[in-house]
Amino acid sequence: DAKTTQPNSMESNEEEPVHLPCNHSTISGTDYIHWYRQLPSQGPEYVIHGLTSNVNNRMASLAIAEDRKSSTLILHRATLRDAAVYYCIFDAGNMLTFGGGTRLMVKP
Amino acid sequence: DTAVSQTPKYLVTQMGNDKSIKCEQNLGHDTMYWYKQDSKKFLKIMFSYNNKELIINETVPNRFSPKSPDKAHLNLHINSLELGDSAVYFCASSPPGGTYSPLHFGNGTRLTVT
Repeated sequence: DAKTTQPNSMESNEEEPVHLPCNHSTISGTDYIHWYRQLPSQGPEYVIHGLTSNVNNRMASLAIAEDRKSSTLILHRATLRDAAVYYCIFDAGNMLTFGGGTRLMVKP
Repeated sequence: DTAVSQTPKYLVTQMGNDKSIKCEQNLGHDTMYWYKQDSKKFLKIMFSYNNKELIINETVPNRFSPKSPDKAHLNLHINSLELGDSAVYFCASSPPGGTYSPLHFGNGTRLTVT
């Protein structure tokens, strides 16, 4: 299994930035880093992915460490709708296996 | 329009029964998947189909049999249901590009075996 390590839970205040960390020390040079999130009672939703360079899209930013052994998902202004479980994963052998993720709680 | 739809949303059944979960995607994707999410929220891939052909079959009991009548549908049939099969099952699809392409998930089927 492709292993990642994330904190079990994090808290944030509404409209503040959130930095969600992930360690993936066994990642190989060609594995992409993917982030998904799962809102209550829904399926996982794609957030962002990257290989080496930092990436931005309308949902979030992804900062990847130079050695690629860790990455950080950045939500620039958390809203109540961002409360979800965030999964950091990388593919190994053409499949994505999701770990336990980080439960993000957003306080008004 | 729902991109990846699964039916039923909830399924309660007794041990030993046979049941099916249906999945359809209207995104024109070539690859479809079944994932199982256990009580600890770990999502594990079960099967992957590309253009109706099986490409991944993880360590899943052979009581689970996927069927893909066409590339827009991937159904999951489960024989002789056991208590340990209780979980949420997610169908997903992705465009060409392998795992570099985002997965699109359905909203899941919560299976409870009593």
